[in-house]
Amino acid sequence: RKEVEQDPGPFNVPEGATVAFNCTYSNSASQSFFWYRQDCRKEPKLLMSVYSSGNEDGRFTAQLNRASQYISLLIRDSKLSDSATYLCVVNKDYQLIWGAGTKLIIKP
Amino acid sequence: SAVISQKPSRDICQRGTSLTIQCQVDSQVTMMFWYRQQPGQSLTLIATANQGSEATYESGFVIDKFPISRPNLTFSTLTVSNMSPEDSSIYLCSVPGLARNEQFFGPGTRLTVL
Repeated sequence: RKEVEQDPGPFNVPEGATVAFNCTYSNSASQSFFWYRQDCRKEPKLLMSVYSSGNEDGRFTAQLNRASQYISLLIRDSKLSDSATYLCVVNKDYQLIWGAGTKLIIKP
Repeated sequence: SAVISQKPSRDICQRGTSLTIQCQVDSQVTMMFWYRQQPGQSLTLIATANQGSEATYESGFVIDKFPISRPNLTFSTLTVSNMSPEDSSIYLCSVPGLARNEQFFGPGTRLTVL
């Protein structure tokens, strides 16, 4: 079993819709969690950290469920520019473990 | 955030040859990381490069195959030695950000081995 698992997609979503991704992790001792965004042929960039109480940044909401060991990312009112691969990242002992990413395609 | 550049941005190489990838950061950093991202796969950490000491390699990666230099606090190189088609991948360097465990990445080097 992979340490961090994501549905690879692609998720094909009409512009303006709401879309949600989940990510599961295997190590219950994981300490911190992140969502990165990677555009096609570009490097990953931090989208947002995920806090235990859940957090929101504009149209993006991240949730953490430690009991079930999953992280979610919700994107509301999706834009064409949201098309990218979203990488789930889990930290333990200062080492980042990366999911393979979920590809999102927003269609006009 | 750090500004990171990598050279070359892409290359096509013959099997059995070696390629050295350079990573330059616009600020001094203690740790630099080298990752590999194969098509459709997650990022895999190859090694951590610390200035003034030997790089620390992750399981499955060895110094003879991926020698790393770290001559100063703003620069590092990764060499992919004796390449085979299985080494075709994107190689990325990264540095830690101020926020805990955030990382900034270089633009990557896209390597194709024929």
